[in-house]
Amino acid sequence: DTAVSQTPKYLVTQMGNDKSIKCEQNLGHDTMYWYKQDSKKFLKIMFSYNNKELIINETVPNRFSPKSPDKAHLNLHINSLELGDSAVYFCASSLTSGGADEQYFGPGTRLTVT
Amino acid sequence: GENVEQHPSTLSVQEGDSAVIKCTYSDSASNYFPWYKQELGKRPQLIIDIRSNVGEKKDQRIAVTLNKTAKHFSLHITETQPEDSAVYFCAARSSGGYQKVTFGTGTKLQVIP
Repeated sequence: DTAVSQTPKYLVTQMGNDKSIKCEQNLGHDTMYWYKQDSKKFLKIMFSYNNKELIINETVPNRFSPKSPDKAHLNLHINSLELGDSAVYFCASSLTSGGADEQYFGPGTRLTVT
Repeated sequence: GENVEQHPSTLSVQEGDSAVIKCTYSDSASNYFPWYKQELGKRPQLIIDIRSNVGEKKDQRIAVTLNKTAKHFSLHITETQPEDSAVYFCAARSSGGYQKVTFGTGTKLQVIP
């Protein structure tokens, strides 16, 4: 199936731990994003990569570090997890070079920090 | 940066009635305005979009209007059905550089059978 996929779907961990979320898209898109959706459903962009280059870096604690090994993958590593990091994290991708605008979202990763 | 406001935050309508969700944006350079629908526990999905050179766009029961002068745009859903129940997000994308999409705060629509 062509899609944006994320692993894991659920992540429960304790404060202070380090965790990673992986994202892959097989749509041939050149731009990938990480969004955080909090309990109030607000969707806030965190990072964006275009052709492996970081192009958007919002005001996010430096405990969050994205990594894009290639155009099809964008991973998110979080150090020293805090209670406030609990949220659903969505990966998305789009084809900006082709003039297309639609962002395709992954299924989300529900992170719970206890 | 861009700021997108969305109203109302919740909306309940009877099945068959119309629903309207309104958004305003701050950056006059924004040129693309998508609407996403997010069903409970699912991912956001694009349902309709409009560009700044168009005033209105329709797709079956949904339509979007854009007023560039007033910097506001609206989503209209006619003949609502229970499956329209979801959270709807408006968004705006600025035209410069790598265009960041800024989302509104979402509207939870409930269609009562």
